[in-house]
Formats: sequence, structure tokens, C-alpha cells
Amino acid sequence: EVRLAQSGAEVKKAGESLKISCQGSGYRFTNYWIGWVRQMPGKGLEWVGFIYPGDFDTRYSPSFQGQVTVSVDKSITTAYMQWTSLKASDVGMYYCVRPSFYFDSSGSDVFYFETWGQGTLVTVSS
Amino acid sequence: SYVLTQPPSVSVAPGQTARITCGGNNIGSKIVHWYQQKPGQAPVLVVYDDTDRPSGIPERFSGSNSGHTATLTISRVEAGDEADYYCQVWDSASDEVFGGGTKVTVL
Repeated sequence: EVRLAQSGAEVKKAGESLKISCQGSGYRFTNYWIGWVRQMPGKGLEWVGFIYPGDFDTRYSPSFQGQVTVSVDKSITTAYMQWTSLKASDVGMYYCVRPSFYFDSSGSDVFYFETWGQGTLVTVSS
Repeated sequence: SYVLTQPPSVSVAPGQTARITCGGNNIGSKIVHWYQQKPGQAPVLVVYDDTDRPSGIPERFSGSNSGHTATLTISRVEAGDEADYYCQVWDSASDEVFGGGTKVTVL
């Protein structure tokens, strides 16, 4: 069974750093993208960024580029998302996802989110 | 960026059919996926590649996509189908790959 196990809830102050984690199991970790989707309180879903553990290729949403860093440690099949300086606006539930990926008939990327972790709630106080 | 428009809410009686739309410019030329999110839970993929269902998803869930509208149809609605539903397409240049979500209420 494919499983994504995320680290626990975090309560931080604005300006602090944070690194949350997601351990994948039940599949060959280096063969699939892995990444993050945010859901702010009472709001919809936003994609943040993904990484391909096989070659460390990364993709970021324009909204999150430069704001967070997505990384992996293949040796422990774990993905991370980190902030160097949290803002109050970073509050939300962060879901680890294992996207499925392929190229469509025109050669364009297609990602969809087949497997989800349980979520890590990040609370930031000012 | 590419914008996906969903109605905020849809209400349906048990046993009836719910249709959740996802509008976008020429969305029929794109590939659409759908997610169900129940309160306090992570989203679940219910339809991918416009019309396919992951294993374990009931046949009551079906998808279609043509022109400027994609549709998720839930037949014979049950109380357990009450949830938020999101459509999704992929555009790596866009901030927004998800629709805004539709809350389905079972009357």
C-alpha cells in the first residue's frame, strides 16, 4: 500500500524557520514525483511545489517560488518543505502528495494528485 | 494564468443526480481531474483523465469534458457524498491549477 506519513502540527512565530517532512512507503521512492499542496483555513487547494527524487528536478508554483524550498533525502524516502522566515500568511494545512505524471498527446506535462498524506497544520503567530 | 470556475454550492436530494461543473476557456482541450474532500480529511482523487475512476471509487462517480465545461456527475447520491469537490488541470505556469471548490449538500 502506498502511504505518505507526514510530521506533526507546528506552532511557530513569524520570522522563525520551519521544516516539515513526509515519508513515502509502499513504492519505489525514486520513480515518482513528491510534493506539497496548501490549504489555508476555510479555503481551497493550492499547489506549492514538487521534486523528482530520481534526479532532484523541482517544480514550483509561481506563488511559492523563492518562498519555500522542497527537498528530499532518498536514503530515508522522505520529502521536506522548509521556510527560512515564516510569515503569518504561511498558516495552513500542508498536504504531502504523490502526483502521477505523464506527457499528453501534445507533449505537455500532466500532473494529478493520486495519493495524499494526512496533512501537517502550520500555525504562525505574529 | 488559466482560471477554473466552479459553483460555490450544489444541493441534491438523496437518490438524485448531482452535477458539478468546472468552467474554463476551451477546457475540453485540457485534461481534468476531480477530488472529493470531506470535513477534516485529506482530499481523495475520484476521477482522473476526464473520465477514469481510481480503484475503489464507486461507478456512481463519472466525469465528462467538452467545450468550455467539465462536469463531475454523482448518480444516486448518498448522504456520504456530502463534501467539497475540486476540479484540477495542470498548467505549471499558473498559480491556480485547482478550481475554487463546490460544496455538495445532501438534503
